Amino acid sequence: TQLLEQSPQFLSIQEGENLTVYCNSSSVFSSLQWYRQEPGEGPVLLVTVVTGGEVKKLKRLTFQFGDARKDSSLHITAAQPGDTGLYLCAGADSNYQLIWGAGTKLIIKP
Amino acid sequence: EAGVAQSPRYKIIEKRQSVAFWCNPISGHATLYWYQQILGQGPKLLIQFQNNGVVDDSQLPKDRFSAERLKGVDSTLKIQPAKLEDSAVYLCASRAGFVAFFGQGTRLTVV
Repeated sequence: TQLLEQSPQFLSIQEGENLTVYCNSSSVFSSLQWYRQEPGEGPVLLVTVVTGGEVKKLKRLTFQFGDARKDSSLHITAAQPGDTGLYLCAGADSNYQLIWGAGTKLIIKP
Repeated sequence: EAGVAQSPRYKIIEKRQSVAFWCNPISGHATLYWYQQILGQGPKLLIQFQNNGVVDDSQLPKDRFSAERLKGVDSTLKIQPAKLEDSAVYLCASRAGFVAFFGQGTRLTVV
């Protein structure tokens, strides 16, 4: 059974601080997606990474896919209250099956 | 492009009652998922359809949950009878390539 472990499960920091969320597995994925979910809404796609070692930037968010395509990280620079939410990673295997992490609940305090 | 549509947004029922949720995926998306999400946790897959066929329903509590996608487009998920522990958000998603697109979900409260 493929597993995708996210850490930390919960993170509460002050506005302006930096943070990193991790998504790790012993399995290789064809791609990995990061989603953000706000209360009362469905998850919304932030980014898809496909190539080992790939780095993508979305304003203050930096996403990295591990060289072996088994892990990924999300780094937020100068976090803002609007970044508050549940961050989910999902890996796609060779059969396009999505394996989900349990999520990281992020709270940014003003 | 229209997104994944779900209804209703909210539902409150008493335990042992039945309830049904509806999902209209993005046009052309052959793969459709139903997920159950407990507050603060990641989505848990209930069932995956490819067109109108079931790909994976291994985590669907089949004694009380059922789902169908008769024409390979819209889908319904039913719970009968509901239990208190079924209180959750039920998310529908459809997939294009590697990426899943989610609806807003139905928040079910069983009292």
